Amino acid sequence: GNSVTQMEGPVTLSEEAFLTINCTYTATGYPSLFWYVQYPGEGLQLLLKATKADDKGSNKGFEATYRKETTSFHLEKGSVQVSDSAVYFCALNSGGSNYKLTFGKGTLLTVNP
Amino acid sequence: DGGITQSPKYLFRKEGQNVTLSCEQNLNHDAMYWYRQDPGQGLRLIYYSQIVNDFQKGDIAEGYSVSREKKESFPLTVTSAQKNPTAFYLCASSEGGAYSNQPQHFGDGTRLSIL
Repeated sequence: GNSVTQMEGPVTLSEEAFLTINCTYTATGYPSLFWYVQYPGEGLQLLLKATKADDKGSNKGFEATYRKETTSFHLEKGSVQVSDSAVYFCALNSGGSNYKLTFGKGTLLTVNP
Repeated sequence: DGGITQSPKYLFRKEGQNVTLSCEQNLNHDAMYWYRQDPGQGLRLIYYSQIVNDFQKGDIAEGYSVSREKKESFPLTVTSAQKNPTAFYLCASSEGGAYSNQPQHFGDGTRLSIL
């Protein structure tokens, strides 16, 4: 079956630090990959996505590249802000006759001023 | 603005009681989903529906029921058979058919607690 593994949190950084949150996956076929962000007390918001190998998704300074050879989709940001504090979820959609998402367990990021 | 509306934001259940969580979307999406979120466990799929009048069990359907009588609405009932219902419940929707790679859009969630 499909699975997503994210780095364990929590991750604590100072403002303007570089962020990497690792994500690797196991899936059949050719999945689409997503990063979602959840701010406290809210639902999930799509942050970025990539639908095929070597695609780079980007949004709000965050980037992730779909690496088929290493089955990875690591999230990066060059300079984090306090407002980036949230839980980040990596997810995949393997399509087929059943297009439900498989999520990682989430990584809590706290950015201190 | 299009989106997904979940209500209520907070809900309390007494022992032996069924409660229903509302989810409405005006995005004209075919597919809708219910997830349960527990601390440290990420999201787990309860039920999903690809089209009106059709729905499928997810990974943790026991103790829950759903209906999909209208495209816009996908209510979730937490029955008394669900022994540990305290959690944050998220509804989502997506467009596209069986091979869609479209992302899911989420509501703001309902937090259910036991009295």
